[in-house]
Amino acid sequence: DQQVKQNSPSLSVQEGRISILNCDYTNSMFDYFLWYKKYPAEGPTFLISISSIKDKNEDGRFTVFLNKSAKHLSLHIVPSQPGDSAVYFCAAISYNAGNMLTFGGGTRLMVKP
Amino acid sequence: EAQVTQNPRYLITVTGKKLTVTCSQNMNHEYMSWYRQDPGLGLRQIYYSMNVEVTDKGDVPEGYKVSRKEKRNFPLILESPSPNQTSLYFCASSPPQGLGTEAFFGQGTRLTVV
Repeated sequence: DQQVKQNSPSLSVQEGRISILNCDYTNSMFDYFLWYKKYPAEGPTFLISISSIKDKNEDGRFTVFLNKSAKHLSLHIVPSQPGDSAVYFCAAISYNAGNMLTFGGGTRLMVKP
Repeated sequence: EAQVTQNPRYLITVTGKKLTVTCSQNMNHEYMSWYRQDPGLGLRQIYYSMNVEVTDKGDVPEGYKVSRKEKRNFPLILESPSPNQTSLYFCASSPPQGLGTEAFFGQGTRLTVV
């Protein structure tokens, strides 16, 4: 059973609008949550992370929100740009589990000009 | 330039023919791992290594072997590949816990087993 789930396989938004990517998890022992971005024919690249003791982390156009009671996190991209079109993976890490990253299935974001 | 290098990028092989995918990192990271990416399943960890000569199984280790004789290299070995190992493989390295949680990924190896 997947511990980290991204229920939307794809999302399409207009340039300049907000993109919201969602992620749910089941393991309350995760210490950190991360978002990775992946372009075709490239490896995933780290985007932003949040500690389990925080509820928000912001970096430029990217903000991650964590709702621990709902076991839910989201990535907000404002404003969205065509270059943001990629697959986004949510991941979680537990230091007690050997630093292993557990990934969601990914959401393909398409930002239309 | 900090990077993780995988070879080959693409590989087509036949069932049962042993193969090795190499992975090398130049960041002096202790932690390295292998993932496979399959549609709808995201990336699943195959094996990881906390340091030289220290390896352990991830979520999906069956059919794979690894070794960590040097800090910079972490090859993935398929002793007898089968068609269900057709996938996109990524190697990753990361700093020790507490110094940063982000992993650096290689560009991927697309493996097809026929």
